Amino acid sequence: AQSVTQPDARVTVSEGASLQLRCKYSYSATPYLFWYVQYPRQGLQLLLKYYSGDPVVQGVNSFEAEFSKSNSSFHLQKASVHWSDSAVYFCALSPYGSSGNKLIFGIGTLLSVKP
Amino acid sequence: DMKVTQMPRYLIKRMGENVLLECGQDMSHETMYWYRQDPGLGLQLIYISYDVDSNSEGDIPKGYRVSRKKREHFSLILDSAKTNQTSVYFCASSSPGTGNTLYFGEGSRLIVV
Repeated sequence: AQSVTQPDARVTVSEGASLQLRCKYSYSATPYLFWYVQYPRQGLQLLLKYYSGDPVVQGVNSFEAEFSKSNSSFHLQKASVHWSDSAVYFCALSPYGSSGNKLIFGIGTLLSVKP
Repeated sequence: DMKVTQMPRYLIKRMGENVLLECGQDMSHETMYWYRQDPGLGLQLIYISYDVDSNSEGDIPKGYRVSRKKREHFSLILDSAKTNQTSVYFCASSSPGTGNTLYFGEGSRLIVV
């Protein structure tokens, strides 16, 4: 069965510090992987996605993620966080990579950035 | 303008009343979705619609039905709402051209008392 695990429900970092949000997936083949961000009282917005090729993908607002097939992981990283990065971050998996298929979400990680 | 619009944004209903949540998108996306979001559970797929009158159950369809008569509009209907349907509901859309990138609305917060 396909699944996405975000082991950290909440992460707190100081402004300017580096960040890693963890994501592990379970899928028999190489999935399409996504990170979405949800700011308070808003819908989800795409940060970045991985389909194939270079395992390090760049996203908006200086976020990047690294795909690891051996570890079944797709961790999100940022070199220096800003207070405005405080939000909930969701990792998601698409088993087929084409429109019309279910996107499987993790439960999300709440990021709090201390000033 | 690429936008998914949900109405209403906030709604309070009594148990047993009917609820209609509406969603529109201006991108002509074929596929549309209804998710609900609950603390500790993330997003759970209720229904997926592949195009007009082509709908499929998601992971938690019980207690819900949907209607899609135009490509741009996708409605979620709760017949006789229950208190455990109190949640935030998100509509999303996608197309083959976007891979499986979903575009989300801002959510509809439903409270059933």
